[in-house]
Amino acid sequence: QVQLVESGGAVVQPGGSLRLSCVASGFRFNGYVMHWVRQTPGKGLEWVAFIRPDEVRTSYAGSVEGRFTVSRDNSKNTLYMQMNSLRVDDTALYYCAKDLANGYSFEYWGQGTQVTVSS
Amino acid sequence: QSALTQPASVSGSPGQSITISCTGTSSDVGSYNLVSWYQQHPGKAPKLIIYEDTKRPSGVSDHFSGSKSGNTASLTISGLQAEDEADYYCCSYARGDTWVFGGGTKVTVL
Repeated sequence: QVQLVESGGAVVQPGGSLRLSCVASGFRFNGYVMHWVRQTPGKGLEWVAFIRPDEVRTSYAGSVEGRFTVSRDNSKNTLYMQMNSLRVDDTALYYCAKDLANGYSFEYWGQGTQVTVSS
Repeated sequence: QSALTQPASVSGSPGQSITISCTGTSSDVGSYNLVSWYQQHPGKAPKLIIYEDTKRPSGVSDHFSGSKSGNTASLTISGLQAEDEADYYCCSYARGDTWVFGGGTKVTVL
């Protein structure tokens, strides 16, 4: 069965950096678009980033553009998110999600990893 | 990209039908047949229940149905059950390979 396991969340000071990882299993990782989605109690769900299987095409929400970088290593079945210049409002539970074969919805989700940005 | 607009809460009695609206713009909901809906129980990850406006993934109960008219998509839960009590989020693809979520709707079974 499909499994997505996120890690790397932590408490970090404003301006700091973190790298999140998501290890995938149970499906052909190099055949699917992958996403990062975050959730805060006050703001609900927010799509963050997307990466195509070829590792080349990416896109980002405006709130993280220029600060976050999504990447993947298909040989390791692993999705990454490099987060730089972190701000207090980046505090959230970060999920990785596998796209449905159609490429436009989030079929499977991990359990999330908590990122807290605080001084 | 502004969030899609959903009612904060909807309630109904067991066996009733309820509908949750999701209003976007001509740049997202109105431009693509790519609205999806997610159910989230407390402490759990979201679960895909509707994709491409009206389709149900394998294994999802047929008492969930999706529809769309213009810039507004809707999720209908027919024959409301206690286990349907959860948060529901809509999401739409928008141009430039971006996605936008609604603010979420809390469904309460009375």
